[in-house]
Amino acid sequence: QKEVEQNSGPLSVPEGAIASLNCTYSDRGSQSFFWYRQYSGKSPELIMFIYSNGDKEDGRFTAQLNKASQYVSLLIRDSQPSDSATYLCAVTSGAGSYQLTFGKGTKLSVIP
Amino acid sequence: SQTIHQWPATLVQPVGSPLSLECTVEGTSNPNLYWYRQAAGRGLQLLFYSVGIGQISSEVPQNLSASRPQDRQFILSSKKLLLSDSGFYLCAWGFSLGQMNTEAFFGQGTRLTVV
Repeated sequence: QKEVEQNSGPLSVPEGAIASLNCTYSDRGSQSFFWYRQYSGKSPELIMFIYSNGDKEDGRFTAQLNKASQYVSLLIRDSQPSDSATYLCAVTSGAGSYQLTFGKGTKLSVIP
Repeated sequence: SQTIHQWPATLVQPVGSPLSLECTVEGTSNPNLYWYRQAAGRGLQLLFYSVGIGQISSEVPQNLSASRPQDRQFILSSKKLLLSDSGFYLCAWGFSLGQMNTEAFFGQGTRLTVV
């Protein structure tokens, strides 16, 4: 059973701080890693993806991947109240797998 | 650019009634198509995926079924709804590059309440 684990939160950070969201996965053969943001009552929207070990930066967002530790994280710099949402980690395996396995998400609250 | 349409946005159905949710994708060909369900307080659960017309894989045995009558159309159905079928249903599309999947892009979702 492939599993993706996230701390459910809520994670509260003050406006302007760095928010750090973490995710671990069980399938060592996983190849693709995604972060989605989901506002309450809305569908998930993709914000980052990462395939290789190391860091990937996109604006205020940085994804970090460590395949040896089976760990992926998302850093949000200069957090804004509009970043308040649930963040979902998703993982795919290779070898013809066609599905994303999602974690249950971490709820982030940015306090003005 | 690609867009995905899903309807209806909300639906209230009595127990035992049938269900039909439809999803269409525009601006792309031969996408992978997915149906997910998100129950209150739970994560996204993959229900069905399809890699081509008429090709459906089921991930969870239940009273739901899916069909793909056209390349960019994906339908979720039930003959008789149960209370436990309530949830947020999401259609998504994506691609496979060789043996790797790309990300999935979600429709707006249908919030189903079975009463």
